[in-house]
Amino acid sequence: GAVVSQHPSWVICKSGTSVKIECRSLDFQATTMFWYRQFPKQSLMLMATSNEGSKATYEQGVEKDKFLINHASLTLSTLTVTSAHPEDSSFYICSATGGDRASYEQYFGPGTRLTVT
Amino acid sequence: AQSVTQLGSHVSVSEGALVLLRCNYSSSVPPYLFWYVQYPNQGLQLLLKYTSAATLVKGINGFEAEFKKSETSFHLTKPSAHMSDAAEYFCAAGTGGGNKLTFGTGTQLKVEL
Repeated sequence: GAVVSQHPSWVICKSGTSVKIECRSLDFQATTMFWYRQFPKQSLMLMATSNEGSKATYEQGVEKDKFLINHASLTLSTLTVTSAHPEDSSFYICSATGGDRASYEQYFGPGTRLTVT
Repeated sequence: AQSVTQLGSHVSVSEGALVLLRCNYSSSVPPYLFWYVQYPNQGLQLLLKYTSAATLVKGINGFEAEFKKSETSFHLTKPSAHMSDAAEYFCAAGTGGGNKLTFGTGTQLKVEL
């Protein structure tokens, strides 16, 4: 159990366009989902925490108007990168927790590679 | 604020040799501690976790880690390295008051013949 999927796994978009990344918990209800960003050869940096039905909580320095997060259901959260620029190119990873799992147990998706040209 | 330090961004071992990846945390309150493995272009897979039960934690793929409060450490070990163990390893800490995880900077493990 505790499977988290992401779609797409890889996306290329042109500068100025928006791209949406989906994160789904396949076999449990994810009351909380997290979005991370990972630059090459670096660690994961938490971007935001989203609770189902509530507004996301963004970490300091993360532009909430640029990285729109929606967690409308217990199995789906989306991250939309608006007006993407080349510096937004990165590996985006989501994680989820919830159900009967302890709050500190996060299960990670496989990640989405975003390249902005 | 919680911080996690992984000593050695790159570790190289011979196949069959002991693997030791170091992790230290900074917290007056023992946190929950995790080791994750990441293969290229993939997400994170949980290897093992410490949640204030047994101090010696066994995980998947033959890995284990020992929580040492006096040293604020949670080092990851495996008695005999396999080529398939070559990957990036992350130590992470979570505090009981919330769900957030703080990650170390990662250690790239290379396994040589």
